[in-house]
Amino acid sequence: DSGVTQTPKHLITATGQRVTLRCSPRSGDLSVYWYQQSLDQGLQFLIQYYNGEERAKGNILERFSAQQFPDLHSELNLSSLELGDSALYFCASSGTGPGETQYFGPGTRLLVL
Amino acid sequence: GENVEQHPSTLSVQEGDSAVIKCTYSDSASNYFPWYKQELGKRPQLIIDIRSNVGEKKDQRIAVTLNKTAKHFSLHITETQPEDSAVYFCAASKTGAGSYQLTFGKGTKLSVIP
Repeated sequence: DSGVTQTPKHLITATGQRVTLRCSPRSGDLSVYWYQQSLDQGLQFLIQYYNGEERAKGNILERFSAQQFPDLHSELNLSSLELGDSALYFCASSGTGPGETQYFGPGTRLLVL
Repeated sequence: GENVEQHPSTLSVQEGDSAVIKCTYSDSASNYFPWYKQELGKRPQLIIDIRSNVGEKKDQRIAVTLNKTAKHFSLHITETQPEDSAVYFCAASKTGAGSYQLTFGKGTKLSVIP
């Protein structure tokens, strides 16, 4: 157990819908990273938050957004869902220093029908 | 941006043999290189990492080597066991404006044959 929690574990929804994925980082970690894992694209960095502020953006679609709350949990919002958004979504958390180890949560498996 | 190439994409070895997975990176500013193991449907788990001021690091049957000049790093697993079967990902990260996002290779599916 990494100490990072994610809910829900599984999510099945329809095209055009909107979903919210939730992540709680390890105790004391200020950084949260979101990654998307699909069969053909591997693990892709989406976005990072540090202590409530957006720190970096990767290959995140405009239909996707995220935020980190004062208690440091983070939410990833996916809207206008398409079939191609079906994937495993992981969050990871780390401490504050450079090259700090990122610990991954168990992931949310999203299936868009 | 950073690009990480990983080879081979699949690797089969006999139990007890060694396995080697190689990665190259493009950004010379990258200075942190972790390796993750992922079992089917599970989260990636860190198995070993190396920083750019070190050339080699070992942890029991697992070792990682780094060649900064060639921008190349490798994972070595000795005395492989069936439970080593999984997908292994290399990654690279660099410091800069406080973001340490990982750029992953495409993964290597390792099968250890009993």
